[in-house]
Amino acid sequence: GENVEQHPSTLSVQEGDSAVIKCTYSDSASNYFPWYKQELGKRPQLIIDIRSNVGEKKDQRIAVTLNKTAKHFSLHITETQPEDSAVYFCAATLRDSWGKLQFGAGTQVVVTP
Amino acid sequence: DTAVSQTPKYLVTQMGNDKSIKCEQNLGHDTMYWYKQDSKKFLKIMFSYNNKELIINETVPNRFSPKSPDKAHLNLHINSLELGDSAVYFCASSPRHSSYNEQFFGPGTRLTVL
Repeated sequence: GENVEQHPSTLSVQEGDSAVIKCTYSDSASNYFPWYKQELGKRPQLIIDIRSNVGEKKDQRIAVTLNKTAKHFSLHITETQPEDSAVYFCAATLRDSWGKLQFGAGTQVVVTP
Repeated sequence: DTAVSQTPKYLVTQMGNDKSIKCEQNLGHDTMYWYKQDSKKFLKIMFSYNNKELIINETVPNRFSPKSPDKAHLNLHINSLELGDSAVYFCASSPRHSSYNEQFFGPGTRLTVL
């Protein structure tokens, strides 16, 4: 099955700086890579996703890059703000896996003013 | 206008008891999921149903039994609760069971087994 590793486990950044979270996956048949944000005590919510036929996707201050050869993908947050503080999860799904999401272990991001 | 709702929000119970968590979605989605989030925040899928049919059944103790009376509801029954069952349980739904669909999570049920 798929295995997703996520680094770092915690990330502290100054407001206005950039944050980068990296994930690697094991199965080259994975074809969809979403990122979820979970604020303290709340539900996970999708913030951005990328399909395996795309190398990069951007949505305002967040972007995701995918390197299929190396089997890794990254989340980039620019101009961080205190409301970006949360746990971020990467995930991967295999083709024909009924939408089964394999999550990384999560990254606690703390943005200090 | 809650999209995915769960009840109860908190559940505190003794070891050995049996309890149920209910989930409902009003998004018209075909597929629903149960996830367990442990104390280290790790999210792991347990089950998935598509149109009332079980399609994902991960390695979970058979004390856990999902039930889907219709495609808008997915309940989770847990028998003989153990200390290690303490976690937050999230229900989620998606339009279909294919890879590219966003999953919408419910607010979670925090289960504490004493």
